[in-house]
Amino acid sequence: KAGVTQTPRYLIKTRGQQVTLSCSPISGHRSVSWYQQTPGQGLQFLFEYFSETQRNKGNFPGRFSGRQFSNSRSEMNVSTLELGDSALYLCASSLIGYGYTFGSGTRLTVV
Amino acid sequence: TQLLEQSPQFLSIQEGENLTVYCNSSSVFSSLQWYRQEPGEGPVLLVTVVTGGEVKKLKRLTFQFGDARKDSSLHITAAQPGDTGLYLCAGVGSNDYKLSFGAGTTVTVRA
Repeated sequence: KAGVTQTPRYLIKTRGQQVTLSCSPISGHRSVSWYQQTPGQGLQFLFEYFSETQRNKGNFPGRFSGRQFSNSRSEMNVSTLELGDSALYLCASSLIGYGYTFGSGTRLTVV
Repeated sequence: TQLLEQSPQFLSIQEGENLTVYCNSSSVFSSLQWYRQEPGEGPVLLVTVVTGGEVKKLKRLTFQFGDARKDSSLHITAAQPGDTGLYLCAGVGSNDYKLSFGAGTTVTVRA
């Protein structure tokens, strides 16, 4: 079956702009989580959605937001980009109680 | 501050040697997962351990979950260059499904 698909793979944005990243989970998986990975901080949890509802949220500013659609696809948005937002953004889908399957990520560079 | 502390941070060994990676926390987790990540890709789930004291073997990899469900270890026997990668442990919270990652251990196996 198809894995978790994240688009785009690479993105370059300018400070102050906003960006939207997309994630299509494995068919049947209703939970989608987002993570930010940087060399200094490692993998940091952003938020998790289940059946279109945000169930958990990490410690990120309000500039980071997300949503999930009825087909379980999810998007995350970052507004007013800062240089420090440069990172690999990973999406993972899961069946509750089982392991998470990650996408290949979106590499965001803010210049 | 990471909820899960991994050690060592880096490990470089010769092909054929054994290695152990540790993952410790003061928190209790409902389950603990180990992932391996290669550059430019998302983490790939290796194993999920659920019961305190549980030991799981996956070919040359042995995973152990501590009795108190606060710590875990990954042991690789007769390491091969293909084992090279970033190994991440992650705990699933007892009260929510949030996945918290350790900082990771970079393993390099030299041929």
